[in-house]
Amino acid sequence: DIVMTQSPDSLAVSLGERATINCKSSQSVLYSSNNKNYLGWYQQKPGQPPKLLIYWASTRESGVPDRFSGSGSGTDFTLTISSLQAEDVAVYYCQQYYTTPYTFGQGTKLEIK
Amino acid sequence: EVQLVESGGGLVKPGGSLRLSCAASGLTFSNAWMSWVRRAPGKGLEWVGRIKSKSDGGTTDHAAPVKGRFTISRDDSKNTLYLQMNSLKTEDTAVYYCTTGDCSGDGCYRLVKYFQHWGQGTLVTVSS
Repeated sequence: DIVMTQSPDSLAVSLGERATINCKSSQSVLYSSNNKNYLGWYQQKPGQPPKLLIYWASTRESGVPDRFSGSGSGTDFTLTISSLQAEDVAVYYCQQYYTTPYTFGQGTKLEIK
Repeated sequence: EVQLVESGGGLVKPGGSLRLSCAASGLTFSNAWMSWVRRAPGKGLEWVGRIKSKSDGGTTDHAAPVKGRFTISRDDSKNTLYLQMNSLKTEDTAVYYCTTGDCSGDGCYRLVKYFQHWGQGTLVTVSS
């Protein structure tokens, strides 16, 4: 199974500042035949289902604010929130869909400092 | 608008069984590859399993912790996904979500494997 490891486990950032979450996979999730990284980022707020933010490692889902961006390739990925807003308080997960079992990172809890 | 509505959760004793349902609308359900994902209290998200569309073989994959105990199935005539859970353990206590991607066209789910649509979830509590 591909193990997804996020860092840090929790993060406190001031409003308007940048937040960065890292995700590392135990093997590459880059599919060479189409040059796509099978990596997504999700946001989950209390009492709500997860929400897809980013897919293919860097493609923003429709309706997601452009302060959210994804980067990386192969085994190392980053989710960046360029200017933290109060409504961004949530737990964030990376997930690989390269192969089953699809696996999630352990989650990063983002709070306001 | 795509809607996924789970039902069937509740309190069950260890060793018991439960069947969850997920009613889908707003998408061509028969083409969709559907997954179940759960979140246990105080834990992160865990993929439970997936079923492909019948046109893509209709096969299932289940995560190791549930293999042999849980079975995913679908009824395309009812636009409904199921999760049959047997031999339940306390560690199966979680909110269970059904989820899928969003695409149209033959075979598109072979590529769109990320999860764009989610239900609100149904709580399963396994306790004596």
